Formats: sequence, C-alpha cells, structure tokens
Amino acid sequence: NAGVTQTPKFQVLKTGQSMTLQCAQDMNHEYMSWYRQDPGMGLRLIHYSVGAGITDQGEVPNGYNVSRSTTEDFPLRLLSAAPSQTSVYFCASSYFGVIYFGEGSWLTVV
Amino acid sequence: AQSVTQLDSQVPVFEEAPVELRCNYSSSVSVYLFWYVQYPNQGLQLLLKYLSGSTLVKGINGFEAEFNKSQTSFHLRKPSVHISDTAEYFCAVSDRDTGNQFYFGTGTSLTVIP
Repeated sequence: NAGVTQTPKFQVLKTGQSMTLQCAQDMNHEYMSWYRQDPGMGLRLIHYSVGAGITDQGEVPNGYNVSRSTTEDFPLRLLSAAPSQTSVYFCASSYFGVIYFGEGSWLTVV
Repeated sequence: AQSVTQLDSQVPVFEEAPVELRCNYSSSVSVYLFWYVQYPNQGLQLLLKYLSGSTLVKGINGFEAEFNKSQTSFHLRKPSVHISDTAEYFCAVSDRDTGNQFYFGTGTSLTVIP
C-alpha cells in the first residue's frame, strides 16, 4: 500500500523561484492537508481540503497555493520562494481520527 | 479551534530512568488524542492514540498515555527509557465531530543520556 506519497524529498530553490510539491494518496480520503515543520514550532497547517474542488486556508497560508482537482492529488505551490519558506513540509490525508503522513519534503530557499 | 500545549520543550533523562512528557489541550469537547514520534531527518510515526474506551492507552516501544478529561491532559509515559528513544515527540488532537483536522503541539525533544 502506497499511502501518502509526496515528492520531491529534497529541493533547493533560489529566492523568487516557484515550485510545486506533489502529494498523492490512494486511500480515497476526502480530507487532505499540508503542514510545515519548523524547529520549536511543531507542525503548522498551511492549507487543507475537505474534498475535490474544495480548499481552505490553515494557520500559515501566505506564499502558498493549493488546488484539489481530484480526490487523490493535493499539490502545494510556492509562488515566489522566500528564505522564510525554508522548512520541512508534510502532506497528510485523514479519515475520522487517523492521519497518514507522507515522508516529508526538505526545502531550502537560498 | 483546538490548541495543544506541550509543557516541556526539552527533556533530558538518564538511560533506564522513567520519563513523562506532558500534553494539555484547550477544549473540553470530545476529542481524539495522539502521540507521534519523529527520529532525526525522518517523518512522523504514530506512537499511540486514544479514540474511545479505556483512558490508559498502550503504544509501541513500551510507551503509554493516560487521557484525563477533567484536566484536558494526555501525558505520555515510559517506565524505563533507552538510548534509542532519543527523538522529538508530538502530541496531537482532533475533534470527534470532524475527525479530520489535526492540531499539533510544538514538540518535546527527549534526550536519553547514557
């Protein structure tokens, strides 16, 4: 079972570049989310989706964009990368009390 | 929205000693409760969860946690730690009504000293 698959695992970007973190799940979960993890701050919710065609902002949405055209896919776009977006990003899908994480994407913006 | 407070950001403990990592959450509404562990440069792994039933929950690697509704707490314990338990530990909560949106604490870094 693949679960939640996110790519790439590591990425270095220059300030101002854009990129997309890909996320896919094969469990048919309606709810998907993106978190960023920074030292001393835990996991903070960036965006989430309760189903195809529906997205909403989390705690730290600025500088990020998402879409949900299918149940399976929930990509996260960095519109113009900034050093403050250097972080570890986790995609997740969840269903009534169980959350499944991807393996994480380590992003460095220089 | 829920908030989750992990009272200790860093906990050093000697090998084979007991440890308790504290977690409190904000709301008294019905919740699901979780503890996750993260080893260096890895993703999050579920240690244990409370969904319903017995308030004492046993998880992997000898960890257990107790749900205390009146104190809105879900503290994690282990009677005897090993070097391999050195990691970051996260407490998380989700509302029973939605079951899908999770709120995480800021983490507790457990360091086991030989």
